[in-house]
Amino acid sequence: GNSVTQMEGPVTLSEEAFLTINCTYTATGYPSLFWYVQYPGEGLQLLLKATKADDKGSNKGFEATYRKETTSFHLEKGSVQVSDSAVYFCALRLNTGFQKLVFGTGTRLLVSP
Amino acid sequence: GAVVSQHPSRVICKSGTSVKIECRSLDFQATTMFWYRQFPKQSLMLMATSNEGSKATYEQGVEKDKFLINHASLTLSTLTVTSAHPEDSSFYICSASPRPLTQGYGYTFGSGTRLTVV
Repeated sequence: GNSVTQMEGPVTLSEEAFLTINCTYTATGYPSLFWYVQYPGEGLQLLLKATKADDKGSNKGFEATYRKETTSFHLEKGSVQVSDSAVYFCALRLNTGFQKLVFGTGTRLLVSP
Repeated sequence: GAVVSQHPSRVICKSGTSVKIECRSLDFQATTMFWYRQFPKQSLMLMATSNEGSKATYEQGVEKDKFLINHASLTLSTLTVTSAHPEDSSFYICSASPRPLTQGYGYTFGSGTRLTVV
């Protein structure tokens, strides 16, 4: 089946620390991969995406590279800020059928000053 | 950019009543909309896929008669929680994608509706 596995949280970091949130996937075919961010009490916002192997998505200092050989899409940021505190969801979307998103369980990031 | 408006953002209702949640795509046409439910500190659970002009496709375990979905136009889908009970209290989120669907396009999400049944 199609699934996304994320590292369990919460991830607790000090401001300006380096962030990595691991994400691996299982999928039939060649999915598109996404990272979404959810701030407290809000819906999800698309953070970045990649549509094919070796693509790198980037936005607001966050990056993730689509690694087909390791079926991974790890999220990284060189220097986190308090305002980055949120829940991050890795997701895949199959490019056939209804093309629904399959989400990981989410990883909560807590950044302290 | 693509914007999805979801209303209401919060609703409190009495047990046994029905609640309607609206999801609108403001600046694009959405052939397909998705409805999710999110429990506290958990991921999003897809409830159903809503296609304009046809019946929604529900995920396994989701009660069709309890969660009524209507997608009457290319810009509006509604979710009605019928005869609500406290266990239906949750955060409901819709998402939509522009038409035609392009590869790699991430769906745009509404801001969610916090439903509390008392």
